[in-house]
Amino acid sequence: DTAVSQTPKYLVTQMGNDKSIKCEQNLGHDTMYWYKQDSKKFLKIMFSYNNKELIINETVPNRFSPKSPDKAHLNLHINSLELGDSAVYFCASSQDDRVYYGYTFGSGTRLTVV
Amino acid sequence: QQQVKQSPQSLIVQKGGISIINCAYENTAFDYFPWYQQFPGKGPALLIAIRPDVSEKKEGRFTISFNKSAKQFSLHIMDSQPGDSATYFCAALIGNAGNMLTFGGGTRLMVKP
Repeated sequence: DTAVSQTPKYLVTQMGNDKSIKCEQNLGHDTMYWYKQDSKKFLKIMFSYNNKELIINETVPNRFSPKSPDKAHLNLHINSLELGDSAVYFCASSQDDRVYYGYTFGSGTRLTVV
Repeated sequence: QQQVKQSPQSLIVQKGGISIINCAYENTAFDYFPWYQQFPGKGPALLIAIRPDVSEKKEGRFTISFNKSAKQFSLHIMDSQPGDSATYFCAALIGNAGNMLTFGGGTRLMVKP
């Protein structure tokens, strides 16, 4: 069983479109995250979310919005896609009282905006 | 502002050699320092981690050395193998402040046979 799963794995879309990336975790974790990995491999936190609080990295454009239908899912919605949004997006999760046991990451979604 | 700085960006090591990757941090509130390993097409996976109350942690061929006064920590891979070829990330976290991992810039390690 995949602990953190993301769909789709690849996404190619045109500038200006709106798209969503889905994430599900079956670990029973409390908190989920979205990270962006750019072409230089740098991993940047975008959001942290649990049922109590959404923490947004202030540098993330408001075209990006996380949507959580329940504790096991955190989807990423992107409006008006731009070329610079091309990257690999990773979903991750952790248990609040076991954060020192680390995050579990999904396999990533490679987004290409053309 | 990058809170965790990692070096080198890339590293080539012969099979059987020692790979050393270094990281430095600024925020003394960080209280958890993990290393992640990422293979192409995969997400980062936790490799080994250390808390600041110890100076060294060893798991198999992987060792973290931690210098609290210098605000530095490093990963040593002993007897490096071609299968260790991957990108390695150091990271840091403040356990009671949103729990968001901050990553270093990554090191691409290639172990030559």
